[in-house]
Amino acid sequence: NAGVMQNPRHLVRRRGQEARLRCSPMKGHSHVYWYRQLPEEGLKFMVYLQKENIIDESGMPKERFSAEFPKEGPSILRIQQVVRGDSAAYFCASSPTDGELFFGSGTQLSVL
Amino acid sequence: DQQVKQNSPSLSVQEGRISILNCDYTNSMFDYFLWYKKYPAEGPTFLISISSIKDKNEDGRFTVFLNKSAKHLSLHIVPSQPGDSAVYFCAASSLNAGKSTFGDGTTLTVKP
Repeated sequence: NAGVMQNPRHLVRRRGQEARLRCSPMKGHSHVYWYRQLPEEGLKFMVYLQKENIIDESGMPKERFSAEFPKEGPSILRIQQVVRGDSAAYFCASSPTDGELFFGSGTQLSVL
Repeated sequence: DQQVKQNSPSLSVQEGRISILNCDYTNSMFDYFLWYKKYPAEGPTFLISISSIKDKNEDGRFTVFLNKSAKHLSLHIVPSQPGDSAVYFCAASSLNAGKSTFGDGTTLTVKP
């Protein structure tokens, strides 16, 4: 049973480009969460999704950020027109219910 | 306003001794608390949890204590092993443990 798969592991973008981060939850898990970790800080909740539905996006910046979890395929976190402040580790996690989280290894986004 | 605080950024203990990691929270609505462990370049992994109806939960070498009146919890690791060296995150939630508020983490170093 594969764990939560995130790709790419590292993503380098120039300011103004788009970043797409992918996450495949563990088999059987229908709850997907995205967290962001800035250097020297803890993880900050961004968004909670179930299949085809955004349940809670209270942690998402209002502009440039969007997330989806389609019926088929991975969950996508999309950042448009990236800025240097978007540089961070982005972790996806899944859960079979609303219990403890199973995290992926993260995507390290670097904006030049 | 940081709702979950881990006031010690780092802790160093000798192998075989007890490690005590502390966490304070301010939101009285939190009723479920979790500890995650994170190694470099990996995602956090769930370690142990406790609900607000209990004051202690034990799992092998790991014990979590909750003092609701003080809004304080602690993680005890005994005996500590070099493989326990990692960053430990305290997390708190209400209703949905997947949407947790994380502390900034404590880096534990266990010396052989």
